[in-house]
Amino acid sequence: NAGVMQNPRHLVRRRGQEARLRCSPMKGHSHVYWYRQLPEEGLKFMVYLQKENIIDESGMPKERFSAEFPKEGPSILRIQQVVRGDSAAYFCASSPRVNTDTQYFGPGTRLTVL
Amino acid sequence: LAKTTQPISMDSYEGQEVNITCSHNNIATNDYITWYQQFPSQGPRFIIQGYKTKVTNEVASLFIPADRKSSTLSLPRVSLSDTAVYYCLVADTSGTYKYIFGTGTRLKVLA
Repeated sequence: NAGVMQNPRHLVRRRGQEARLRCSPMKGHSHVYWYRQLPEEGLKFMVYLQKENIIDESGMPKERFSAEFPKEGPSILRIQQVVRGDSAAYFCASSPRVNTDTQYFGPGTRLTVL
Repeated sequence: LAKTTQPISMDSYEGQEVNITCSHNNIATNDYITWYQQFPSQGPRFIIQGYKTKVTNEVASLFIPADRKSSTLSLPRVSLSDTAVYYCLVADTSGTYKYIFGTGTRLKVLA
């Protein structure tokens, strides 16, 4: 059973461009969480999604950031008009059923904004 | 909102037992407390999860007092490969589904 997969692993964007980060949860998992980790800092919750629904986006900036988890395909975290402060590692986690289940993390996508 | 606090760093020698405590007041009453290990440039790796009292698996033990305002991760006989950052993860109690990572403890195991 493959773990959580994220791609790309590394992404370089220039200021003003868009960044799209993809997350494929573990097989059978219908809950996805996105976290951001700034350099030398801890992980910060961004958003929690179930299939086709955003359950909690209280940790996600209201502008430029959006997330989705469609019925088919991976979850997408989208950052529009990136700025240097968006440079960070973005981690996705998934869990099987309800949100109280263990979250399993992917390897992360390292975004660098030039 | 839930708040979590961990010691910033700890040093230990190979073969010793290491205990790392996370203070977390005001967490969700019906959710588990989970601990993760993170190596540089990698995603957090699950170590152990518990709700209350004591949980043990093949790599660690987790102690949670009755008031659930803290939890202690215990690593028996650490080795050099246990050098990493350790985080607790709890659910916020504010009626949302927001999760809060602890501040992280950087454990350095010395030979």
